[in-house]
Amino acid sequence: TQLLEQSPQFLSIQEGENLTVYCNSSSVFSSLQWYRQEPGEGPVLLVTVVTGGEVKKLKRLTFQFGDARKDSSLHITAAQPGDTGLYLCAGEATGTASKLTFGTGTRLQVTL
Amino acid sequence: GAGVSQSPSNKVTEKGKDVELRCDPISGHTALYWYRQSLGQGLEFLIYFQGNSAPDKSGLPSDRFSAERTGGSVSTLTIQRTQQEDSAVYLCASSSYTGLQYFGPGTRLTVT
Repeated sequence: TQLLEQSPQFLSIQEGENLTVYCNSSSVFSSLQWYRQEPGEGPVLLVTVVTGGEVKKLKRLTFQFGDARKDSSLHITAAQPGDTGLYLCAGEATGTASKLTFGTGTRLQVTL
Repeated sequence: GAGVSQSPSNKVTEKGKDVELRCDPISGHTALYWYRQSLGQGLEFLIYFQGNSAPDKSGLPSDRFSAERTGGSVSTLTIQRTQQEDSAVYLCASSSYTGLQYFGPGTRLTVT
């Protein structure tokens, strides 16, 4: 069974601080996705990374896929209250027809 | 241009009763997925439908769980003889040829 461990599980920071969320596995994934989920809603896709070492930026969010395609990180610069939510990484293993393995989740709270 | 819809949004049932959860995918999406999410955690894959192919049922936790997809569109997830450990948010997602999954808002199931 492929597992994706996220750390930290919970993070409470003040507006303007920077943070990094990690997603680690012993398995190789053909692609890795990051989602954000708000209460009462389904996860919303933020980004997909497919190449080892790939870095993608989405405004204040920077996503990196590890060289070996086993891990990923999400860095948020100058966090804002609107960034609050549950961040989930999800990996797609080769040959699994888009069946995703989700990480354990990181709950982020950004306060004023 | 509607997204994935699910009904009901909330369901409270007594232990031992059967429940049916419905998912309406995005029109034209050939793939449909069911996941379960317990108490703000990551998502657990349940079942995957792709076109007319046999569904991938590898994530169903027991034979009390079943799902069908009629006419390649609407899907129903059925849980028979519900148990308290079945309490969770059940999420449905659909995808097109890109494989990117779009999630519905989920059904929160509470078994008392």
